[in-house]
Amino acid sequence: EPEVTQTPSHQVTQMGQEVILRCVPISNHLYFYWYRQILGQKVEFLVSFYNNEISEKSEIFDDQFSVERPDGSNFTLKIRSTKLEDSAMYFCATHGDRVTDTQYFGPGTRLTVL
Amino acid sequence: AQTVTQSQPEMSVQEAETVTLSCTYDTSESDYYLFWYKQPPSRQMILVIRQEAYKQQNATENRFSVNFQKAAKSFSLKISDSQLGDAAMYFCAYMEYGGSQGNLIFGKGTKLSVKP
Repeated sequence: EPEVTQTPSHQVTQMGQEVILRCVPISNHLYFYWYRQILGQKVEFLVSFYNNEISEKSEIFDDQFSVERPDGSNFTLKIRSTKLEDSAMYFCATHGDRVTDTQYFGPGTRLTVL
Repeated sequence: AQTVTQSQPEMSVQEAETVTLSCTYDTSESDYYLFWYKQPPSRQMILVIRQEAYKQQNATENRFSVNFQKAAKSFSLKISDSQLGDAAMYFCAYMEYGGSQGNLIFGKGTKLSVKP
């Protein structure tokens, strides 16, 4: 069964450093999302991406964050200057050619900012 | 803004028994989708079940079923014949229908323990 993959599974970085989290969507999916889950808290929406542009973003998704799909397969989330409070699990989710299709989540990237 | 509330931070069930997890939501929309996701210790998010608000029939998936009460804005998950592998965090989620975004709004989750 096709699945969403994410790399790395765990990223440790120093505060102020840039990180790039990568997601490979299911091949025929067109809608992409990033979510964040701080340890012990609920999953929060960050940003949605469709047709090579951001569809919607939450208030969490400030200027430190950016997303792109550089090569038509990978979908990346970049955090320019990480802060301690960026430590969280980051999930990529994708769904098919209709926005009402079920979203499938990747296994997540655990980001630790020291 | 839409909100999702899960009032049970933790629940426990005996193996082979039935347990019901509660979820309420707030929306002014008439068409939307509701989901239950399971998050085991690996922290992977796994879709358990999905309900379209326009469908009156409650969704079922094997041992998992929902009780969808649209007027009450309630969406509970029933797990029958509980198994040790059901132990996980369970998140209720809402998605607006017909929008161009499709982002999910999650509740805070319920931690389910299964006793052998």
